[in-house]
Amino acid sequence: AQKVTQAQTEISVVEKEDVTLDCVYETRDTTYYLFWYKQPPSGELVFLIRRNSFDEQNEISGRYSWNFQKSTSSFNFTITASQVVDSAVYFCALRGTGRRALTFGSGTRLQVQP
Amino acid sequence: DAGVIQSPRHEVTEMGQEVTLRCKPISGHDYLFWYRQTMMRGLELLIYFNNNVPIDDSGMPEDRFSAKMPNASFSTLKIQPSEPRDSAVYFCASSLGTSHRDYGYTFGSGTRLTVV
Repeated sequence: AQKVTQAQTEISVVEKEDVTLDCVYETRDTTYYLFWYKQPPSGELVFLIRRNSFDEQNEISGRYSWNFQKSTSSFNFTITASQVVDSAVYFCALRGTGRRALTFGSGTRLQVQP
Repeated sequence: DAGVIQSPRHEVTEMGQEVTLRCKPISGHDYLFWYRQTMMRGLELLIYFNNNVPIDDSGMPEDRFSAKMPNASFSTLKIQPSEPRDSAVYFCASSLGTSHRDYGYTFGSGTRLTVV
């Protein structure tokens, strides 16, 4: 069975602070895919990143960075110099080898105060 | 590409009525997913299709829910009869998959269903 845990229900920061969103996953598959999605107040789900289990290289995209550690089954997401527009709910998701569908975590609501 | 298109965006209906939600996936995508989002249960998979064939419907709550994909460009999720606890946002997503790669999932804007 697949499971994704986002222990942080809500985080509040002040603009320009760095913030890390935690994601811990469980799977018995040796090949799997991890995702992060952003859900702004408008409600749509916006794809941020996909990471394959065999690629542990960390990734940076502008102010966003992701730290994938298989040893701890974690795929954490850091926003550097946060902005008000980053306020949203962020979901971590997992897809294993067999079942094609994504299993989502419960999400972390990030509020960036001006 | 216009992305995954869902209709209607909002639906308000009375308990007991039939509700039909619609989805048009991205052209060429061979997988289609229906998800439901509620405060209590988060984002949960209802059913998914591969090449128009239902693969996993274990998430469909009960017999009141049914989903079809008559062709590669259209899917429906029907609730009959609807109940207040069905109130949620329903998302449709599509993806292109091969045995060697996963190309990610694109979600529609969702249908917000309110059953009164």
